[in-house]
Order: sequence, then C-alpha cells, then structure tokens
Amino acid sequence: DAGVIQSPRHEVTEMGQEVTLRCKPISGHDYLFWYRQTMMRGLELLIYFNNNVPIDDSGMPEDRFSAKMPNASFSTLKIQPSEPRDSAVYFCASSLEGRYGYTFGSGTRLTVV
Amino acid sequence: EDQVTQSPEALRLQEGESSSLNCSYTVSGLRGLFWYRQDPGKGPEFLFTLYSAGEEKEKERLKATLTKKESFLHITAPKPEDSATYLCAVQRGGAQKLVFGQGTRLTINP
Repeated sequence: DAGVIQSPRHEVTEMGQEVTLRCKPISGHDYLFWYRQTMMRGLELLIYFNNNVPIDDSGMPEDRFSAKMPNASFSTLKIQPSEPRDSAVYFCASSLEGRYGYTFGSGTRLTVV
Repeated sequence: EDQVTQSPEALRLQEGESSSLNCSYTVSGLRGLFWYRQDPGKGPEFLFTLYSAGEEKEKERLKATLTKKESFLHITAPKPEDSATYLCAVQRGGAQKLVFGQGTRLTINP
C-alpha cells in the first residue's frame, strides 16, 4: 500500500486566492482526518469524516475553509480566500474504525504571501 | 477539555545516553494514548498505543509506559537516527479524534 497520499507537497499562493489541497486515504480505511500543524499551535484537528460523511468540523477556523469527501478514495480541503495566517503544514490522515493509530500523509506545506 | 503537555520541549543527548520523555494528560475516560515520531518534512509516524494504566510496549530502543496521569517514552542507548520530534496524543472514550501535545524535539549527537 502506498499509504496516505497528499498533493501538492508545497503550495505558494497570493493572499485572496483559492487553494485546494488533496488527499487519498489508505484503501479500506473508513475514517479520514484533516489536521493543521504550526509552530505556535502544534497539530490541530480541522475536520474528520466517517464513511465519507463529515462528523465533526468544529476545528475549521472559519467559513473560508471547507472540506469534502465525494467518495472513499478522495478528499479535498479548500481555502477561499486564503490569508497569510493560513500558512501552515496541512496533514491528512486515515484510520480503520477510528480505534487504531492514524496513518498520516506527508503533508502539504502552504505558504500564503 | 482534553489536554496533553509534553516535556521537555527539547532534549539533546549523546549517543548511548539513555533518557525519558514525559507526556502528562487530562482526559475524561481515556480510550488510548498514542506515541508518534515525526521527522522534518514528514508526517507523524505511529509508534505505540497504550490503553490502560500499567501497560508497557517496546520497539527496538523505545519503551512506552502509562499511568493514570502520564506516559513516559524511555529511550535506551539512543543512536543518532533516533533524532526526531516525538508526539504524544490522547483519544477519549467514544471519540475518534486525537488531541496532540506540542512534542519533544530529541537530538542525539554522535
């Protein structure tokens, strides 16, 4: 298995632009999580899905952030419009039944200038 | 609210010098405590899950232990390749999300 695959690895964009981050979870995993990592706040959960349905989006900072999971193999996290304070590393992780250790992707480093 | 505090923030050791990392937690009804390793530019890599006080798990030079209030990650005779940030996380009963600590950045000098 190739693990959790995220794209792009790096994204540099200008303030106000739309950014879309992509994630392919491990086949067979039924939970998908989006985390954000910064030096100040560490790893923070943004949203998670179970069987493609959003369960908890209380960590989404504001309405500029949205996430979708149209099928079991794909999820997106969109920021529109982007702001410099959104600069961070965004991780996607998947898990089987939510009980075992998550498997994380390699992350997308987002820089908003 | 679930909280995880890791100490120290950073630790520098000589190769072969054993030590321990601490993870103190506050959670209502612990379902599991997780340890991860994170290398620069990579995602966290799963190491261990501990489920109940008194439980221990080992992997190579690492051993994780758990009490009702904290967990320790013991590193015995570390090597430079053990240098990484070690993250601790808790999962409460009935929940799926993990709450992470800030991590301990470990450096092993040859």
